This record gives sequence, C-alpha cells and structure tokens, in this order.
Amino acid sequence: QSVLTQPPSASGTPGQRVSISCSGSSSNIGGNYVCWYQQLPGTAPKLLIYKSNQRPSGVPDRFSGSKSGTSASLAISGLRSEDEADYYCATWDDSLNGPVVFGGGTKLTVL
Amino acid sequence: EVQLVESGGGLVQPGRSLRLSCAASGFNFEDYAMNWVRQAPGKGLEWVSGISWNSDRIAYADSVQGRFTIYRDNAKNSLYLQMNSLRTEDTALYYCAKDVSRGSSAGSDYWGQGTLVSVSS
Repeated sequence: QSVLTQPPSASGTPGQRVSISCSGSSSNIGGNYVCWYQQLPGTAPKLLIYKSNQRPSGVPDRFSGSKSGTSASLAISGLRSEDEADYYCATWDDSLNGPVVFGGGTKLTVL
Repeated sequence: EVQLVESGGGLVQPGRSLRLSCAASGFNFEDYAMNWVRQAPGKGLEWVSGISWNSDRIAYADSVQGRFTIYRDNAKNSLYLQMNSLRTEDTALYYCAKDVSRGSSAGSDYWGQGTLVSVSS
C-alpha cells in the first residue's frame, strides 16, 4: 500500500484534458514539493513536473502540475496517443525514515 | 549528453550480496545528489536510497535500511549501491537517477536504463 494514493487508471480521448490526482497527508504532500513522472512501456521514468508545478526543459506545456493542501494533480491537455503511459507522483515524507515516497501509479489509456 | 549506465545486477541467492555501480557522464557529477530507485516486475516505482552531492546526507527506504549502503566517488563520476542480506523481495530493476538538486529531493531528471537484480534460490 503506497503512502500516496493515485487512481489505478484514467482514460481520455485525443484532444481531451485529463487530470490525475495524488492524495497524501500533512507529513508528505502537505509540507513538501511534488514531482510527477511519466513511464512509457519498457522505458525508464521521465520527469514531467518538479517543485509541484515546474516543468523541466523539453516537457511540453500540455503537462501542468498543481498542489492544494495534502493533494496534488497532474493535468494533461490536448491528449495524444503517445501520452498513454503510467504516471507516478512522488514527494518527501517527513514522518518516515526513507524520505522519498511514490504513489502507486496511474495507467492512462488514450481511447 | 547526460548518460547514466548501471551495472552489477544479476541472479543471486537469498542472503548473499551484490554491488551495483552507476557510471555518470555529460554533467558535473559532483554538483548533484543521486538516487537509486527500483521497480519490481509489473509493479510501481520504489525509492531505495539517496545521497547528497558531497555525501553528507544519506537516506534509505525502511525496506532496505541496515542492509543496503549507498556511496559515491566524485573523482570517478560513479555511484554505488552495496546490497547485503538480499531477500527475494529485493528482486527488481534498479535505476540510477540524477537529482535536480544538490540535496536529495523527489525530483530526478535523468535516469539510467536500469540493471536487473534477481534474488532466488
């Protein structure tokens, strides 16, 4: 059971806007930045968002992150078929010995 | 071009040891924290350990605390993970990842392709 809760699946049609949620607590999301990763099948994860809403260079502005209280969200606008992947949120947890925790992942399907 | 190349994985019996290595190039290795993240077959990502740029801050996941040791050699642009007392549940693809900052954070902007560790009798 992951410390951060994500829906196991999400879906959308091309061009649509989809949002993936990540729920935590005051010891993790509530007091720390959130990151989001995309993992395409058979490949290493790719950083999409860091510091809750910052995009690394090269990441399209179709991807955006937000945080409110103890929850965070990743929004993908103008959905494309190549966005079909697993998405993970991650953050620090101040109450655990190991500081970085991941969500369980959300499988995004583009219909 | 940033490159991270892991090595050292393989098949090992429970209770035995293994050392993973990560050779880094294309960036100033000594300026960034580094992390190990693993992924069991068909499962999600699990952060294993992180080390700050100058090794003064090190942290481990509860699941490996006391069994794994992370260290780095900035002169050799290399990151290591010494894994002792291996268990079947340590079976996973182990990724080396470059942090976005000097201190370990949750953000890793470059990842290797991973090295597979299989623990089985």
